[in-house]
Amino acid sequence: LAKTTQPISMDSYEGQEVNITCSHNNIATNDYITWYQQFPSQGPRFIIQGYKTKVTNEVASLFIPADRKSSTLSLPRVSLSDTAVYYCLVGLAPRMNRDDKIIFGKGTRLHILP
Amino acid sequence: DTGVSQDPRHKITKRGQNVTFRCDPISEHNRLYWYRQTLGQGPEFLTYFQNEAQLEKSRLLSDRFSAERPKGSFSTLEIQRTEQGDSAMYLCASSLRAEPNYGYTFGSGTRLTVV
Repeated sequence: LAKTTQPISMDSYEGQEVNITCSHNNIATNDYITWYQQFPSQGPRFIIQGYKTKVTNEVASLFIPADRKSSTLSLPRVSLSDTAVYYCLVGLAPRMNRDDKIIFGKGTRLHILP
Repeated sequence: DTGVSQDPRHKITKRGQNVTFRCDPISEHNRLYWYRQTLGQGPEFLTYFQNEAQLEKSRLLSDRFSAERPKGSFSTLEIQRTEQGDSAMYLCASSLRAEPNYGYTFGSGTRLTVV
């Protein structure tokens, strides 16, 4: 499984756009990039997944450069409720008959200030 | 079916006692995972089931830990002779094999405190 590196923590203010970058230099050809969000006392929750270029949903955008060695999770106009830990995961390929399980790193603790 | 349910939400036990946690996955999900999370760390994989078969166990799962999934439905995680180091959040997740990996749905966890 490809190892990921992301900042341990970040602070931002309400209404700002927050970008969290994850490095994954050893990403394999079939690997996808997935981000999860975890609030205190809750289990992680899927946010977004992508393979290349840009993916956008109602929660976030995911930017992946052509070499796929990094990715950036973008949260538009954050609010206090976006304070959480964000995990970048690499190595799971959807719709493939594999027995992989999710391996989490320490994630990025995002703290939104008023 | 509203998601993955875990019971109890909180458990305080004395060192040396046995504890058992229950996880009810999303009904059509055939895979079930157990993770453990300590403060400031990401969840650590413990074990997972495909239907009733336990397919993989982490080295973190000592002999004091046992997990079952009878009939491929709910699962239980038992810890025997608890130690203070077992204090953690125990998370359960379920998924449908061969679906995109955003099919992983986590429960809210059981927080264990060993005193």
